[in-house]
Amino acid sequence: QKEVEQNSGPLSVPEGAIASLNCTYSDRGSQSFFWYRQYSGKSPELIMSIYSNGDKEDGRFTAQLNKASQYVSLLIRDSQPSDSATYLCAVNAPMDSSYKLIFGSGTRLLVRP
Amino acid sequence: ETGVTQTPRHLVMGMTNKKSLKCEQHLGHNAMYWYKQSAKKPLELMFVYSLEERVENNSVPSRFSPECPNSSHLFLHLHTLQPEDSALYLCASSQDLFGQGGEKLFFGSGTQLSVL
Repeated sequence: QKEVEQNSGPLSVPEGAIASLNCTYSDRGSQSFFWYRQYSGKSPELIMSIYSNGDKEDGRFTAQLNKASQYVSLLIRDSQPSDSATYLCAVNAPMDSSYKLIFGSGTRLLVRP
Repeated sequence: ETGVTQTPRHLVMGMTNKKSLKCEQHLGHNAMYWYKQSAKKPLELMFVYSLEERVENNSVPSRFSPECPNSSHLFLHLHTLQPEDSALYLCASSQDLFGQGGEKLFFGSGTQLSVL
């Protein structure tokens, strides 16, 4: 069974610190990787996508991908209380003749003022 | 209106009721999805439609019945649900299907369903 694993948290960091969120996946055939942010009571919102090994930066967010280790992470620099949310890792895994977007359970991030 | 719109936002129903969830996307996307989100569990893909044609049914019980009359509208018809079906039901759309450049999902606000 194809899986995406995340620590449920909560991950608590002080304001201004770097928050590091991690995700592992089981299917080596996965090609696309995504981070969604979900505020309490709201729907998920795509914040980062990454397709090749290495780092991808967008503002305060950096996604890191290591396909050999089947590991993807999200770094949030200068964390703000408004970053407090659940972060969902999603992986596009091949399945039969198509693909499926498989989500992890999410990591809850709490940024303390 | 822009984005993906879902109604109702909240729904309470008895096990013998019949109700429908509605989703409308204003993004010109070709693929639409129903997901179920239960507490502490990953998002579960229920149904996938591409250009109004169902392309996937993820072993969902028959008490859930989807309908896609056109590429902008998606319904989820509910009947004789069980209490364990209580969850947040999310509609999403993408430009194209997964694996065809359509992995970026845009979600609606969801319907919080409670089955008594």
